[in-house]
Amino acid sequence: QKEVEQNSGPLSVPEGAIASLNCTYSDRGSQSFFWYRQYSGKSPELIMSIYSNGDKEDGRFTAQLNKASQYVSLLIRDSQPSDSATYLCAVILTVEGGGNKLTFGTGTQLKVEL
Amino acid sequence: NAGVTQTPKFQVLKTGQSMTLQCAQDMNHNSMYWYRQDPGMGLRLIYYSASEGTTDKGEVPNGYNVSRLNKREFSLRLESAAPSQTSVYFCASSEYPRGGTDTQYFGPGTRLTVL
Repeated sequence: QKEVEQNSGPLSVPEGAIASLNCTYSDRGSQSFFWYRQYSGKSPELIMSIYSNGDKEDGRFTAQLNKASQYVSLLIRDSQPSDSATYLCAVILTVEGGGNKLTFGTGTQLKVEL
Repeated sequence: NAGVTQTPKFQVLKTGQSMTLQCAQDMNHNSMYWYRQDPGMGLRLIYYSASEGTTDKGEVPNGYNVSRLNKREFSLRLESAAPSQTSVYFCASSEYPRGGTDTQYFGPGTRLTVL
């Protein structure tokens, strides 16, 4: 089982719709979760971080966290063509020896169609 | 405030050649990281430095060495490049001195091709 899993997509949504991106993780003790956006040929940029169960909203973006189900999601409302990118889920996992590491999923490609 | 900068942006090497990728950050961050990104594999950590003077191996360290020159700069060296090292390399930094425990900010990347 991968430590952080995402559906690779592509996920296609029409302009103006809600895009829902999902991520599951293996470490029940994880406390910190991040969503990064990566345009083709560019570097990842942070969209949101979430640390507590529930929803966190920032503009058109909402991150949802359910630690019991080991599930984190990103909703994008009123999707725009400029939202077309790959979205990376990242989770801070506990490693052997007591350290931590930020582990990335392989990303979900989102396409917003006119 | 440039954030995280990397040089070069592109590089083509022949098998067996060596090179150093440079990374610098101006955010006064303590931790710095080197990742490689390959299609279908996601971002994989090569090495990281949780604070000035320390370095640790990540998930895929073989074939690479690093130097944390000072708080700002963290370089990645390929001593004898192999085609399997063809990839996009990203440097990142984060504020806290414990490596991998907080938000990371990425540089623009270096596209490396090894023939």
